[in-house]
Amino acid sequence: AQSVTQLDSQVPVFEEAPVELRCNYSSSVSVYLFWYVQYPNQGLQLLLKYLSGSTLVESINGFEAEFNKSQTSFHLRKPSVHISDTAEYFCAVKGGAQKLVFGQGTRLTINP
Amino acid sequence: GAGVSQSPSNKVTEKGKDVELRCDPISGHTALYWYRQSLGQGLEFLIYFQGNSAPDKSGLPSDRFSAERTGGSVSTLTIQRTQQEDSAVYLCASSRSGTELSGELFFGEGSRLTVL
Repeated sequence: AQSVTQLDSQVPVFEEAPVELRCNYSSSVSVYLFWYVQYPNQGLQLLLKYLSGSTLVESINGFEAEFNKSQTSFHLRKPSVHISDTAEYFCAVKGGAQKLVFGQGTRLTINP
Repeated sequence: GAGVSQSPSNKVTEKGKDVELRCDPISGHTALYWYRQSLGQGLEFLIYFQGNSAPDKSGLPSDRFSAERTGGSVSTLTIQRTQQEDSAVYLCASSRSGTELSGELFFGEGSRLTVL
């Protein structure tokens, strides 16, 4: 069975500052890893994913995440955040045909 | 539309009543999930349907909760004898077949359940 731990429930940062949202997982099988985002009053949507190949994956709005197998991590980073990045971010893991498992979420708040 | 459709969008009910929540997944998606999102509780897995396989019901919180998926498409989540702690947003999501693709979930807007 898989599990996901998001170490921070809330992360406040100033606009244009860098941010890292941490995610660690556990699994007995090879996994696929995902970050989902939920903007205020909107539904969940996929932000980025790691399936195979390059361990560094990027989203269209400047976020990136790196799959680190030895540390079982998939941390999400952005070098400079904007007010519009305010949202809740969920890390998720899937092993084979097993269900997709989400972390508890990290609420990112951007202060001007 | 082409997305995941859930109904009703809002449901207010009295404690002890039964409720049914409906999900229409994207056409052709073989995997269907139900999650529950409560304030400050993140996403709680409830049940997972994958094609013709037996559903993974490991997340259902009690025997008051049940779900079915008819004809591999529409799914209904039923909560019997509702309690106040059942108040939450119930999210449905679907995905395409294939283990690599099936982690890319498409979510509906959710059904907000309030139990008075």
